[in-house]
Amino acid sequence: DTGVSQDPRHKITKRGQNVTFRCDPISEHNRLYWYRQTLGQGPEFLTYFQNEAQLEKSRLLSDRFSAERPKGSFSTLEIQRTEQGDSAMYLCASSLGSPYTDTQYFGPGTRLTVL
Amino acid sequence: KQEVTQIPAALSVPEGENLVLNCSFTDSAIYNLQWFRQDPGKGLTSLLLIQSSQREQTSGRLNASLDKSSGRSTLYIAASQPGDSATYLCAVIPMIKAAGNKLTFGGGTRVLVKP
Repeated sequence: DTGVSQDPRHKITKRGQNVTFRCDPISEHNRLYWYRQTLGQGPEFLTYFQNEAQLEKSRLLSDRFSAERPKGSFSTLEIQRTEQGDSAMYLCASSLGSPYTDTQYFGPGTRLTVL
Repeated sequence: KQEVTQIPAALSVPEGENLVLNCSFTDSAIYNLQWFRQDPGKGLTSLLLIQSSQREQTSGRLNASLDKSSGRSTLYIAASQPGDSATYLCAVIPMIKAAGNKLTFGGGTRVLVKP
């Protein structure tokens, strides 16, 4: 299967701990996006990469959050000093970056629970 | 700031009935609009993408229309089946390319098709 994959699928942590999530996009997709979705809501944009360059960060992404995409392939999202409000589904998506029909393909998500 | 709304938040229909799902957006300067399906606890599956220059897109039993001037899109699902039960989300990409291709989502409509 060549879809977007995310690891882990579920993560339970205690408040104050650091967590890191990984996303592997569809190969040859040069754009990669991170979104966060809380229960009963639509996903909200966090950040996106064009190859290895992080081009935009949402105001939702506090200084406790950091994302990287070394070598323009997989990406990691780290949350430091987790808070209960960080509990959510973290979704990754990738796209070709086509100027006209840039469909984003989503991974299965990582569900984070902060106790 | 773009806002996307989906009403109703939940919908229940008997099997065989046609589904009509609504999406409205406040800023008509969109690049395209995308409809997604999300099963409980899972990621998003892209259903249809409509470019801003198009009026509709069709795929099998699905048909999506777009009226940019009124800020509305409608997703029609013909002859609904229990397997269509899921949450349906619409999302828009802004025309201003400086904003990247980040999607702005509605809150979704949760659909239940009763056998």
